Amino acid sequence: GDSVTQMEGPVTLSEEAFLTINCTYTATGYPSLFWYVQYPGEGLQLLLKATKADDKGSNKGFEATYRKETTSFHLEKGSVQVSDSAVYFCALSDRGNQGGKLIFGQGTELSVKP
Amino acid sequence: DADVTQTPRNRITKTGKRIMLECSQTKGHDRMYWYRQDPGLGLRLIYYSFDVKDINKGEISDGYSVSRQAQAKFSLSLESAIPNQTALYFCATSGSSQTSTDTQYFGPGTRLTVL
Repeated sequence: GDSVTQMEGPVTLSEEAFLTINCTYTATGYPSLFWYVQYPGEGLQLLLKATKADDKGSNKGFEATYRKETTSFHLEKGSVQVSDSAVYFCALSDRGNQGGKLIFGQGTELSVKP
Repeated sequence: DADVTQTPRNRITKTGKRIMLECSQTKGHDRMYWYRQDPGLGLRLIYYSFDVKDINKGEISDGYSVSRQAQAKFSLSLESAIPNQTALYFCATSGSSQTSTDTQYFGPGTRLTVL
């Protein structure tokens, strides 16, 4: 079945460092890809998404490009802030009759130190 | 006011007790979902509903049941709670388009502890 694999955390960075969180997926069709973020004590919220190959999703300085050839959707940010400390989830959504169901990776915790 | 609300936010119960978690949404969405979150496992789908008359099992439905009382309300029940159901539970909603691009909107979560 479809699956998502993320790099393990926790990831600890200093403020203004460059961030990459790796995400790869396995899917039989052509899924849409998402990054969700969970701040401490809160539910998940959509960070960005991409719906087809070579699409780039971006929001709040974060970017991710849908790479079909490498089945990847890595999350990047050029300069992280303390306020970016959160858990980040990569997810895919199938396009079959049950379109809309999300399959999540295990999450990557990011801690940014001043 | 929050678009997706969950009650209770925290619950401690004992093995064998029946527990109901409630979810309400004001987004007017047809689709609602229940997930559980465990450390290192991400979120896993328990049940989902694409409209009031449509209920479907997700990846890990054993030991759970749901009720879609109205478009805006979707409840999750644990008929006889067991300790390995200790987790963080999230409700989510999304629009009713036939594509896979709809954003899901999550509630704040319910932390359930089964002793």
